Amino acid sequence: NAGVTQTPKFQVLKTGQSMTLQCAQDMNHNSMYWYRQDPGMGLRLIYYSASEGTTDKGEVPNGYNVSRLNKREFSLRLESAAPSQTSVYFCASSPPLGHFYEQYFGPGTRLTVT
Amino acid sequence: GQQVMQIPQYQHVQEGEDFTTYCNSSTTLSNIQWYKQRPGGHPVFLIQLVKSGEVKKQKRLTFQFGEAKKNSSLHITATQTTDVGTYFCAGRNTGTASKLTFGTGTRLQVTL
Repeated sequence: NAGVTQTPKFQVLKTGQSMTLQCAQDMNHNSMYWYRQDPGMGLRLIYYSASEGTTDKGEVPNGYNVSRLNKREFSLRLESAAPSQTSVYFCASSPPLGHFYEQYFGPGTRLTVT
Repeated sequence: GQQVMQIPQYQHVQEGEDFTTYCNSSTTLSNIQWYKQRPGGHPVFLIQLVKSGEVKKQKRLTFQFGEAKKNSSLHITATQTTDVGTYFCAGRNTGTASKLTFGTGTRLQVTL
C-alpha cells in the first residue's frame, strides 16, 4: 500500500496563476482532508470530505476549491494564487467511525507563490 | 470557533532530560489525539485518548486527558535525539466526528 500520495512535491507559482494539488489514498478510507501548515500556526483545515460525494469548508477555505473525484481522490484547486497561499499543504485521510479515526497524512506539497 | 493552544511553542533540552507539552482547548472535547512530525516530514499519529482523566503510556511517552476533557499533556521521560520533532495535539468535538482541530504544536530540540 502506498498510503496517501500527493503531487506535486514542490511548486512555484506566480501571483494569479492557477493550479491543482492532487491527493489519492489506497486505504479505502471514507474521509479526506486538506490542511495548510505555516510556521507557528499548526495545521489549519482548508476543506474536508466526510464521504464520497460530500465536501465541507474548514477553518480557512477562502481562495480554494476542492473536488472529491471518487473515494480515492481529493483535489485542491487554487484559482488565482496569492503570496499569502505560500505554505506546505498536506492531504490526509481517515477510516470510518468505530476505529481510532486517526488521520493518515501524505508527504506534503511545498508551494511558493511569488 | 474552537481553538486549541499548546505550550511551550519551542523547547530545547539536553538528552536525558524530561519534556512536557500542554494542550488546552476552548471547548470540551469528545477525544484528543497526538501526532508527531519529524523535521521535513508529515504528521504521524501517536495515540488517542477518550475518557476523562485517562492516562496512556507508550514506552517513555505518557499521555493524559484532563478530567474536564478540555486539556491534555504529553510527557517524555529521558529524552533521546530520536524524539526531535514537533508534537501536535488535535481535538475532536462531539457532533463534528469527521473534523479535528489541531493545536499550534510544540517543537522539541534535543542535543547531546
